[in-house]
Amino acid sequence: DIQMTQSPSSLSASVGDRVTITCRASQGISNYLAWFQQKPGKAPKSLIYAASSLQSGVPSKFSGSGSGTDFTLTISSLQPEDFATYYCQQYNSYPLTFGPGTKVDIK
Amino acid sequence: EVQLVQSGAEVKKPGESLKISCKGSGYSFTSYWIGWVRQMPGKGLEWMGIIYPGDSDTRYSPSFQGQVTISADKSISTAYLQWSSLKASDTAMYYCARLAGAGIAAAHFDYWGQGTLVTVSS
Repeated sequence: DIQMTQSPSSLSASVGDRVTITCRASQGISNYLAWFQQKPGKAPKSLIYAASSLQSGVPSKFSGSGSGTDFTLTISSLQPEDFATYYCQQYNSYPLTFGPGTKVDIK
Repeated sequence: EVQLVQSGAEVKKPGESLKISCKGSGYSFTSYWIGWVRQMPGKGLEWMGIIYPGDSDTRYSPSFQGQVTISADKSISTAYLQWSSLKASDTAMYYCARLAGAGIAAAHFDYWGQGTLVTVSS
């Protein structure tokens, strides 16, 4: 199985900050990487697929990059509604696997 | 509008059986894989497996193979996740989600259900 790691596991940031989350795969996954946002008590929401493509309706303050084993999710200007946990997931091979998550909270 | 609507919360005893559901609407149900994701209390997301309702082709995570059964009834656009004998450790929120398309390049989730909370306690 491909193992996914994320760093940091949590971070505190202020409204307006630029935030970057890193995701690493245990082996190369091309660009088969998705990002999800989950708020407390809610279902996950799909943000990005193919490492850098935004899902329909997702604001452009979210961006993704990377290929192979190293990926990043960037939120350009953090807003109150962005405080949540973010997960990456590889879909290069079965079983599909999620990263452990990065919790973004208010400083 | 694509929607996945899951069945309601369940409270069961260890050893009991359970089948939860996920009804798709707003798209061709038989043309998209549906997956199940577990989230134990306070923990992260775990990919359990997927089914293609068109022909019931199913893939399981090794962690869940033999522990659960994923099925679908395309006549009513509904996917299922079932247990034959629940354990306390099955207590979790379970989400269904749709894969964006066929083939590994589209094997990412695009739409999610609202979740079904399963509580197993004696």
